[in-house]
Amino acid sequence: ELKVEQNPLFLSMQEGKNYTIYCNYSTTSDRLYWYRQDPGKSLESLFVLLSNGAVKQEGRLMASLDTKARLSTLHITAAVHDLSATYFCAVGFGNEKLTFGTGTRLTIIP
Amino acid sequence: DTAVSQTPKYLVTQMGNDKSIKCEQNLGHDTMYWYKQDSKKFLKIMFSYNNKELIINETVPNRFSPKSPDKAHLNLHINSLELGDSAVYFCASSQDSGVSPLHFGNGTRLTVT
Repeated sequence: ELKVEQNPLFLSMQEGKNYTIYCNYSTTSDRLYWYRQDPGKSLESLFVLLSNGAVKQEGRLMASLDTKARLSTLHITAAVHDLSATYFCAVGFGNEKLTFGTGTRLTIIP
Repeated sequence: DTAVSQTPKYLVTQMGNDKSIKCEQNLGHDTMYWYKQDSKKFLKIMFSYNNKELIINETVPNRFSPKSPDKAHLNLHINSLELGDSAVYFCASSQDSGVSPLHFGNGTRLTVT
């Protein structure tokens, strides 16, 4: 069974700093997603990564995928307060269901 | 012009009752899902339908019954509610059951007392 682990689970960081969230998964995958969830809100799709070495960037967020290491990273550059949210990775293979990671609750402190 | 809409947003009910949550998507997607998010924010798929046909049915108590009258709607009916059913239930849709990302509804917070 596919297992998806994220770390850290909680992250408190100062504005202006850089940090990385890690997503490890246990078996072969052909797609990986990053989602954002604000408190009490829905999940919003951020990135879809489909191949080894894929890198996607949007604003201060950059996601990458290493399928050989079964690892994706979400890098935050020069954090700002409105990036505070819970970030989830989700992994799938073929027509199998998506498996979500545990989520990383990110708090940006002024 | 909400893409995936769920009703109700909040649902408070007593143990033993039966309740339904409705979901509609206007994106023209073929696949719809129900996910459960527990108090620790862990998300787990419950059901998936593709064009009105059930394709994923996870290990969910048979008190939970999804119904898809057409590909734009996927409702969730829950019989004999239990305390452990308290959670946020998210409906989602995707263009296909493969690569396209999921579009989530705003969730229904179910509280069973």
